[in-house]
Amino acid sequence: AQRVTQPEKLLSVFKGAPVELKCNYSYSGSPELFWYVQYSRQRLQLLLRHISRESIKGFTADLNKGETSFHLKKPFAQEEDSAMYYCASFSPTGANSKLTFGKGITLSVRP
Amino acid sequence: KAGVTQTPRYLIKTRGQQVTLSCSPISGHRSVSWYQQTPGQGLQFLFEYFSETQRNKGNFPGRFSGRQFSNSRSEMNVSTLELGDSALYLCASSFNEGGPYEQYFGPGTRLTVT
Repeated sequence: AQRVTQPEKLLSVFKGAPVELKCNYSYSGSPELFWYVQYSRQRLQLLLRHISRESIKGFTADLNKGETSFHLKKPFAQEEDSAMYYCASFSPTGANSKLTFGKGITLSVRP
Repeated sequence: KAGVTQTPRYLIKTRGQQVTLSCSPISGHRSVSWYQQTPGQGLQFLFEYFSETQRNKGNFPGRFSGRQFSNSRSEMNVSTLELGDSALYLCASSFNEGGPYEQYFGPGTRLTVT
């Protein structure tokens, strides 16, 4: 079964500091990986996906198959980055393919 | 396009009752997924519907069921409510079957079981 692990529940940094939100997955195949974000009083929304290899709002995430990780990074955090972040994986095979979420991490960026 | 809508936004029920939640996907989206969100467990997949057929199901008891109508609107039903069913229930729609094409989430229905 797929499993997505986000080892930390909370990360608090000062504005301008680098941010790394950790995500590890367990899947022997080639999963598709995503980061979703939920800002206060807003809906859960897609931040980025690994197949796009794009940077959104200054965030990037690199898939490391050797370490089965998909950490989300931003070199200089902004106060508006404060939100709940969820890592998710999708295994595109079989009848049980579904999006599996980690438990999420709260990012707090202090002024 | 209007976003995913969910009704009602808030519900308070007592143990043993049943509840029906509704989700209207974005126009043109044929896939609807349901998730349960709790502080302890995070987001857990309930089921996915595409073209009125349940395609995938998560690890939830049979008390949780759903359906999808020909206009892609979906409902989920929870029977014999338990205190542990208190959660935010999220619906997400996407254009393609089976995901993981970008899922668009609704605001959720907050269910409180007393």
